[in-house]
Amino acid sequence: RKEVEQDPGPFNVPEGATVAFNCTYSNSASQSFFWYRQDCRKEPKLLMSVYSSGNEDGRFTAQLNRASQYISLLIRDSKLSDSATYLCVVNRDDKIIFGKGTRLHILP
Amino acid sequence: NAGVTQTPKFRILKIGQSMTLQCAQDMNHNYMYWYRQDPGMGLKLIYYSVGAGITDKGEVPNGYNVSRSTTEYFPLRLELAAPSQTSVYFCASSYSTSGPGANVLTFGAGSRLTVL
Repeated sequence: RKEVEQDPGPFNVPEGATVAFNCTYSNSASQSFFWYRQDCRKEPKLLMSVYSSGNEDGRFTAQLNRASQYISLLIRDSKLSDSATYLCVVNRDDKIIFGKGTRLHILP
Repeated sequence: NAGVTQTPKFRILKIGQSMTLQCAQDMNHNYMYWYRQDPGMGLKLIYYSVGAGITDKGEVPNGYNVSRSTTEYFPLRLELAAPSQTSVYFCASSYSTSGPGANVLTFGAGSRLTVL
């Protein structure tokens, strides 16, 4: 089993829609959690950290369920500029492990 | 502030050749990482370092070596290049693994390597 697993995608959604990404991690000792965004042929960039209490940044909401070892990202009112690959990232004992990523296409 | 600088940006190697991918950061970050990303895939951790003189294996270390003689530099060496090492390589750094900003990675722009 992979340490970090994500929805395979791609997701094709119309502009203005709400889209949700799911991620599970296998090691209960994982300590911190993130969502990164990667544009085509570019390096990944931090989108947001994920906290146990849940956190929001504008149109983006991240949730963490430690009991289920599950992380989610919700994007509301999606924009064309949200088209990218979204990477779920987990830190365990100084190792920072990436999921395979889920590609999102926002359709005009 | 240059951040994380990787060189070269592109390189073509023949099977069996060796080369070193360079990575430098000017942010005084203790933690540095090397990842590879194959087409359509996520990033896989090759090696990482928690400080000068300390390195450790990641998920896919075979065929690679690293060194960390100073805080700033973390080169990745391929000894006998194989077609399976064709990939995009990213170097990243972070300040710490605890406290504010913990584990937030700053990436270099990547090095695209083709082995023929």
